[in-house]
Amino acid sequence: QKEVEQNSGPLSVPEGAIASLNCTYSDRVSQSFFWYRQYSGKSPELIMSIYSNGDKEDGRFTAQLNKASQYVSLLIRDSQPSDSATYLCAVGNSGNTPLVFGKGTRLSVIA
Amino acid sequence: GAGVSQTPSNKVTEKGKYVELRCDPISGHTALYWYRQSLGQGPEFLIYFQGTGAADDSGLPNDRFFAVRPEGSVSTLKIQRTERGDSAVYLCASSLQGLEAFFGQGTRLTVV
Repeated sequence: QKEVEQNSGPLSVPEGAIASLNCTYSDRVSQSFFWYRQYSGKSPELIMSIYSNGDKEDGRFTAQLNKASQYVSLLIRDSQPSDSATYLCAVGNSGNTPLVFGKGTRLSVIA
Repeated sequence: GAGVSQTPSNKVTEKGKYVELRCDPISGHTALYWYRQSLGQGPEFLIYFQGTGAADDSGLPNDRFFAVRPEGSVSTLKIQRTERGDSAVYLCASSLQGLEAFFGQGTRLTVV
């Protein structure tokens, strides 16, 4: 059974701080990793993808991947109240298998 | 189309009835996924199409659930003899070559 684990939160951070979201996965051969943002009542929105070890930066977002530790994280710099949402970690094997999602971490950015 | 389109947005049905949920993927995307999401949970995989064929239907909970994609584009998820436990948001996603997946707005199904 492939599993993706996330702390459900809520994770509360003050406006302007760095929010750090973590995810672990069980399938050692996983090759693709994604972070989705989901606002209440809306569908998941893809915000980051990462495929190789190390860091990938896109604006205020940085995804970090460590395949040896089976760990992926998302850092949000200069957090804004509009970042308050549930963040879903998703893991895939190859292009021919469906993504497995974690339950999500609820982030609350306090103004 | 510009994005994944799902219809209807909301569906209320009586226990025991049959429902169809439609998904129109992003133009050119060969992979199509159906997921189900309950409150406070992550999306739960149901079925995955690559082209017209179901590449993986291991997530379908039982034989009341069936999905088709006859021309490799639009897909329909069919649920027979609906039960109250089927109430959830049904999400469809599509991707190009099975990598980054983009979701539609979902169909909220309520079985009363």
